Amino acid sequence: ILNVEQSPQSLHVQEGDSTNFTCSFPSSNFYALHWYRWETAKSPEALFVMTLNGDEKKKGRISATLNTKEGYSYLYIKGSQPEDSATYLCASRGWTNAGKSTFGDGTTLTVKP
Amino acid sequence: DADVTQTPRNRITKTGKRIMLECSQTKGHDRMYWYRQDPGLGLRLIYYSFDVKDINKGEISDGYSVSRQAQAKFSLSLESAIPNQTALYFCATSDGQYNEQFFGPGTRLTVL
Repeated sequence: ILNVEQSPQSLHVQEGDSTNFTCSFPSSNFYALHWYRWETAKSPEALFVMTLNGDEKKKGRISATLNTKEGYSYLYIKGSQPEDSATYLCASRGWTNAGKSTFGDGTTLTVKP
Repeated sequence: DADVTQTPRNRITKTGKRIMLECSQTKGHDRMYWYRQDPGLGLRLIYYSFDVKDINKGEISDGYSVSRQAQAKFSLSLESAIPNQTALYFCATSDGQYNEQFFGPGTRLTVL
C-alpha cells in the first residue's frame, strides 16, 4: 500500500449503534498514526496518536487500535450519538518523511437520532 | 484567541488574479503547513516549512508559492488563480515529535 486508505467512505447509522472504520497505511517505514475528527464548518482536531504495534487508545466512547505489522488501524465508536457525526481522518507519518504526514480521504459518519 | 488563524476566511476571485492567503500562529511551533481540501478527498499537502529558511514542496505545489516571513507567519500565494484551485485551504502547525497537526479555521477560496 503506497497511500493511506480509509474505508468505508461514508457510513450512516442509527443512534445507539456501534460502528467501526479502517485506516490502511504503509507498514514499512511506519513511525506514527493520527486519527482526527473533523466536524462540519470546523477544523480537524486530533483524537489519538498511535505509535506502537498493539497500541489501544480510548477517549470516552471512541477507541482505536493499531497493527503496524499489517498496516492498519481501526477506530471504534460505541453507542453512536448524533454529536459523533463528523468526518474521521487518519494520517500516517513514516521514519523517512520526517515532519510530513499523508492523510486518507476520511470516513464520514452520520448518526441519525 | 485561536492558536492558528487564517485570513481571509472566504474569498471570491477571478481567473488570472494573484491572491495571497495568510496564516499566523501563537503555538510557538517551528513547522507550518498548507493543505488543500476538495469535496470527497482528504487533505493534500501543498507546501511545508520547518523553519524560516526551510521551505519544501508538497504533493500539489504547482501553481502555488509560499513565504515564511517569520516563525509565526506562513503565506500561500496563487500566482494566477484558475477555477480548479477553488477549494478549502487549511494552514496547520506541528510540534514535530509525532507530527500532530494543529489546524487553522480554513479559507474557502472560489475562483470564477
